Amino acid sequence: GENVEQHPSTLSVQEGDSAVIKCTYSDSASNYFPWYKQELGKRPQLIIDIRSNVGEKKDQRIAVTLNKTAKHFSLHITETQPEDSAVYFCAAITPAGTALIFGKGTTLS
Amino acid sequence: NAGVTQTPKFRVLKTGQSMTLLCAQDMNHEYMYWYRQDPGMGLRLIHYSVGEGTTAKGEVPDGYNVSRLKKQNFLLGLESAAPSQTSVYFCASTPPGSQPQHFGDGTRLSIL
Repeated sequence: GENVEQHPSTLSVQEGDSAVIKCTYSDSASNYFPWYKQELGKRPQLIIDIRSNVGEKKDQRIAVTLNKTAKHFSLHITETQPEDSAVYFCAAITPAGTALIFGKGTTLS
Repeated sequence: NAGVTQTPKFRVLKTGQSMTLLCAQDMNHEYMYWYRQDPGMGLRLIHYSVGEGTTAKGEVPDGYNVSRLKKQNFLLGLESAAPSQTSVYFCASTPPGSQPQHFGDGTRLSIL
């Protein structure tokens, strides 16, 4: 079945710097890759997603890139701010399109 | 719209007790999911359902059962609770296809 690896598990950056979180997936048939942000004690919330027919997507300070050949995708946050501190999860949809498999998360501070 | 509502928010059980967690969504979503979240383990899929009357196993289904008798509700049952099932449980729902999942606020379950 689908497997998602996420790195690093923790990431500390200075305010104003950029942060990059990387994920790899195992099944080349996956075609949807969302990113979720979870603040302490709260529910995960979608921040950005990308489909396999697109190589990059941006939304203000957040961008996601996808390399289908290498089966990896990355989250880029520019000009980081204190409110960006949270746990970030990547996910990949199963080939059947019925479920998401999540990475283990990255704690950004 | 309430979105995805989970009941209860907190619960403490003794080993061997049973309980049911309720997830309700008012967005008319076809797909619903139960996850557990443990420190350093991310969100692990327990069971899911792609429609009323259908359920399927996820990554960590052992010790849990589910039912989807109504489209808007997805129940997660623990028949004989074990300390290893202490966790935060999240429910989520989504329309069919590659769409974002909407999460509930979670249920914090402790088993002593």
